[in-house]
Amino acid sequence: KQEVTQIPAALSVPEGENLVLNCSFTDSAIYNLQWFRQDPGKGLTSLLLIQSSQREQTSGRLNASLDKSSGRSTLYIAASQPGDSATYLCALGGSGGSNYKLTFGKGTLLTVNP
Amino acid sequence: SQTIHQWPATLVQPVGSPLSLECTVEGTSNPNLYWYRQAAGRGLQLLFYSVGIGQISSEVPQNLSASRPQDRQFILSSKKLLLSDSGFYLCAWRGSGYGYTFGSGTRLTVV
Repeated sequence: KQEVTQIPAALSVPEGENLVLNCSFTDSAIYNLQWFRQDPGKGLTSLLLIQSSQREQTSGRLNASLDKSSGRSTLYIAASQPGDSATYLCALGGSGGSNYKLTFGKGTLLTVNP
Repeated sequence: SQTIHQWPATLVQPVGSPLSLECTVEGTSNPNLYWYRQAAGRGLQLLFYSVGIGQISSEVPQNLSASRPQDRQFILSSKKLLLSDSGFYLCAWRGSGYGYTFGSGTRLTVV
């Protein structure tokens, strides 16, 4: 059974700081990994999707890496802004097939202070 | 472009009342659709998924049911709500590349 752990559970940083969020998983036989952002009381917004054959993906100030062999992914946020404050969720996609499912971590609550 | 709609945004229902939450997807055909629940202090739990009309798979035994009457419509239901059914319900579909897109969610409070 895939288990996903996100560390730290909460993080508070001053504006402008670069930061790294961590995600670890127990089963390396994944299809892909997706990072989401969730604002309070809102749905999930997809940030980055990394296929199992890829090592990293970048979008603006965000960079996500994937190391299947070690069961780890990181989300790097450069020059953080107060608007980045949210919960960040890591989700692992299992093996392919029509019943493809995501397994989520519990998230990291990020607060960026002005 | 593909969009996913979910309603209502919030719902307060008494214990024992019925429930119907609707999710529709636009801009795609024959999508894989999913219902997740997020309870306070817990992670996202997959409740149901559907690979086509009338095809429903349940992940956990519970007081809820799901139906897919049309290709792009996914409905979450209950005949009699329990207090433990309270939570944040999210509908999602799986796109090309197997990335997921989520709806805006429904906050259900059972009182």
